[in-house]
Amino acid sequence: DIQMTQSPSSLSASVGDRVTITCQASQDIGYYLNWYQQKPGKGPKFLIYDASNLETGAPSRFSGSGSGTAFTFTISSLQPEDVATYYCQQYDALPPTFGQGTRLEI
Amino acid sequence: EVQLVESGGGLVQPGGSLRLSCAASGFTFSGYGMNWVRQAPGKGLEWVSYSSSDSGTIHYADSVKGRFTISRDNAKNSLYLQMNSLRAEDTAVYYCARDSHNWVFDSWGQGTLVTVSS
Repeated sequence: DIQMTQSPSSLSASVGDRVTITCQASQDIGYYLNWYQQKPGKGPKFLIYDASNLETGAPSRFSGSGSGTAFTFTISSLQPEDVATYYCQQYDALPPTFGQGTRLEI
Repeated sequence: EVQLVESGGGLVQPGGSLRLSCAASGFTFSGYGMNWVRQAPGKGLEWVSYSSSDSGTIHYADSVKGRFTISRDNAKNSLYLQMNSLRAEDTAVYYCARDSHNWVFDSWGQGTLVTVSS
């Protein structure tokens, strides 16, 4: 299975800060990388697909980049409603696998 | 608006069985593949199973192969997960997730909790 490693596992930032989360794949996955947001007690919400494409309706302060094995997720200006856990997920090969998550606090 | 509503979770003893359901609305259910994804308490996300739109292609995670069975009824806009020989490590919130293409999970339900304990 392809292992996905996120860092950091948790971080605390202030409103208005630029926040970056990284995701590393154990092998080349091309652009087959998604990002999700999960708030406590809720199902995940789909944010970014193909590493850098913003899902319709997702806030434009969210962005993604990278290819191959190294990817980043960025919030350009942190808002209070962004408090959540963020997950990367590869879909290059079965089984689809997720990173361990990054808990974001304010 | 896409809606996915899971049900059927609960407390079951090790070795027991449970059947989860996912009721879909707001989209053409028969046109999409569907997945089950689970999350153990305080842990990350783990993909469990996939069914293509016509049930012609089905996949399972190795951790549940031979014990879980995914199925769907397109006439009832419903997805199911039959879980047999349950183990303590199957304890999790189970989500159904719509597959926009090749395991891109673009819509999720709120989940149903399965607890396996004596």
